[in-house]
Amino acid sequence: KQEVTQIPAALSVPEGENLVLNCSFTDSAIYNLQWFRQDPGKGLTSLLLIQSSQREQTSGRLNASLDKSSGRSTLYIAASQPGDSATYLCAVQGAQKLVFGQGTRLTINP
Amino acid sequence: SQTIHQWPATLVQPVGSPLSLECTVEGTSNPNLYWYRQAAGRGLQLLFYSVGIGQISSEVPQNLSASRPQDRQFILSSKKLLLSDSGFYLCAWSVGQGGDTLFFGSGTQLSVL
Repeated sequence: KQEVTQIPAALSVPEGENLVLNCSFTDSAIYNLQWFRQDPGKGLTSLLLIQSSQREQTSGRLNASLDKSSGRSTLYIAASQPGDSATYLCAVQGAQKLVFGQGTRLTINP
Repeated sequence: SQTIHQWPATLVQPVGSPLSLECTVEGTSNPNLYWYRQAAGRGLQLLFYSVGIGQISSEVPQNLSASRPQDRQFILSSKKLLLSDSGFYLCAWSVGQGGDTLFFGSGTQLSVL
């Protein structure tokens, strides 16, 4: 059974800092890994999708990496801004379903 | 472009009352459809998914049910709500299984009192 863990559960950093969010999974037989953003009381917005054959994906100030063999992914956010404050979730796509981590609640302080 | 609509945004229901949450997708055909629940302090739990009209797979046994009467319509129902059914319900869709990103609706906050 796939299990996805995100550490830390919460993170607070000053504006302008670069930061890394971590995601680990137990079963390396995956199709892809996705990072989502969720604002309070809202649905999820897809940020990046990394196929199992890829090592990283970039979108603007976001860079996500994938190491399938070790069961790890990181989301790197450069030059953080207060608007980046949200909960970030990673999810791993297996044969039939997407398994989510519990998320990291990120707060960027002005 | 594709859009997903989910309603209502919030709902307060007494224990034992029925439930019907609706989700529709526009701008695509034969999407895979999903219902997730996000309880306070917990991750997203997949409840149901559907790969076509009338085809529903249940992930978690409970007093909820799902139906797909039309290609782009997905309905979550209950005959009698329990306190434990409270949570944030999210509908989502994808083009295919296995390699495609998931697009989420804006969610329904359900409070069962």
